[in-house]
Amino acid sequence: AQSVTQLGSHVSVSEGALVLLRCNYSSSVPPYLFWYVQYPNQGLQLLLKYTSAATLVKGINGFEAEFKKSETSFHLTKPSAHMSDAAEYFCAVTKRPQAGTALIFGKGTTLSVSS
Amino acid sequence: DVKVTQSSRYLVKRTGEKVFLECVQDMDHENMFWYRQDPGLGLRLIYFSYDVKMKEKGDIPEGYSVSREKKERFSLILESASTNQTSMYLCAGTSGRSEVAGELFFGEGSRLTVL
Repeated sequence: AQSVTQLGSHVSVSEGALVLLRCNYSSSVPPYLFWYVQYPNQGLQLLLKYTSAATLVKGINGFEAEFKKSETSFHLTKPSAHMSDAAEYFCAVTKRPQAGTALIFGKGTTLSVSS
Repeated sequence: DVKVTQSSRYLVKRTGEKVFLECVQDMDHENMFWYRQDPGLGLRLIYFSYDVKMKEKGDIPEGYSVSREKKERFSLILESASTNQTSMYLCAGTSGRSEVAGELFFGEGSRLTVL
């Protein structure tokens, strides 16, 4: 069975500081992994995804994530935080690695950015 | 732009009422999903559908049913609403094409309060 664990329900950084949001996965088959972002009062939108191609994946708004099989991790990073990055971030894994399958989401990490 | 529209952003219902949450997508997506989002629990999958008139249970289907009579519309039904179904409900859609597996497009959510 697939699952993801997000370490830390709340992360606070200063503007300009490194952002690191942690995600570990469990999967009995090669996983597809995703990061989604949710801004206040909105639905989720895709930040980036890993689908067994390059292990370092670049997404929108300067975010990137690295797939590390040995550590079963898919941590999200951004070199320099901006106030507009304040949001809730969700890591997700496919329930089955085939087209259109449902995603299993982590519990989310709220990112706060202070000036 | 692609769009998933949830007809009601906010609803207040009474215990025992039958509740319909409607979701419409204009992207010709084969796959549609209903998740519920609760603080500290992330998103949990209720039901999903791969095609018209087809449905599969997710992780928490109890107390819910769904209907997909047309490709563009996926309805979530609470037969007899209970207070523990107070939550944010998110609808999502995705293409059946393998190269975009897991790229869900979300609606803005329907916040249901059951009194």
